[in-house]
Amino acid sequence: DTAVSQTPKYLVTQMGNDKSIKCEQNLGHDTMYWYKQDSKKFLKIMFSYNNKELIINETVPNRFSPKSPDKAHLNLHINSLELGDSAVYFCASSPDEENSPLHFGNGTRLTVT
Amino acid sequence: AQSVTQPDIHITVSEGASLELRCNYSYGATPYLFWYVQSPGQGLQLLLKYFSGDTLVQGIKGFEAEFKRSQSSFNLRKPSVHWSDAAEYFCAVGGYSSASKIIFGSGTRLSIRP
Repeated sequence: DTAVSQTPKYLVTQMGNDKSIKCEQNLGHDTMYWYKQDSKKFLKIMFSYNNKELIINETVPNRFSPKSPDKAHLNLHINSLELGDSAVYFCASSPDEENSPLHFGNGTRLTVT
Repeated sequence: AQSVTQPDIHITVSEGASLELRCNYSYGATPYLFWYVQSPGQGLQLLLKYFSGDTLVQGIKGFEAEFKRSQSSFNLRKPSVHWSDAAEYFCAVGGYSSASKIIFGSGTRLSIRP
């Protein structure tokens, strides 16, 4: 029944590794997002996809590459992980309508050591 | 540029007391405004939203918020808090379409004193 699900919930890895976070939504929404929440709880948008097309790409290092195989999935791949990538990453989705709120997943806590 | 300011980083109130969390925004047109709540280890859940009409909006869990254009504010209120309301609260602005970004404030952590 989970509307927006992310896996894994926790991810601990070493610097230099490559990792992926998966996100799936079963709400039939057209738009999906990745947000990064830092240690001070500040939430910043990273990417947005609408029907598999990239529409928002904030100033994010090229090491971060989103992939949307279909409109229900938006995965985030991170190459050459750095200490500063440690954060909680939230996937979200919304319908393609005005004033649509975001529906969030429960987050993936990434710790880079 | 659009922005959201939540001036209070941390607020503590007694259980049963009233609550007001402040939010000020900057936006070039009539904004869409949201309040979200984040419980520990969880994602964000929508409490309420405003985009037009009555400036006092009701949300879930007994929360309400009032849009004041003259003050560029959208403060969240609850008449009587419960211990389960302890969480992080985020105000957000934006969202005309999926191509628009929803911008979040820095959050206010609410603690409840027994």
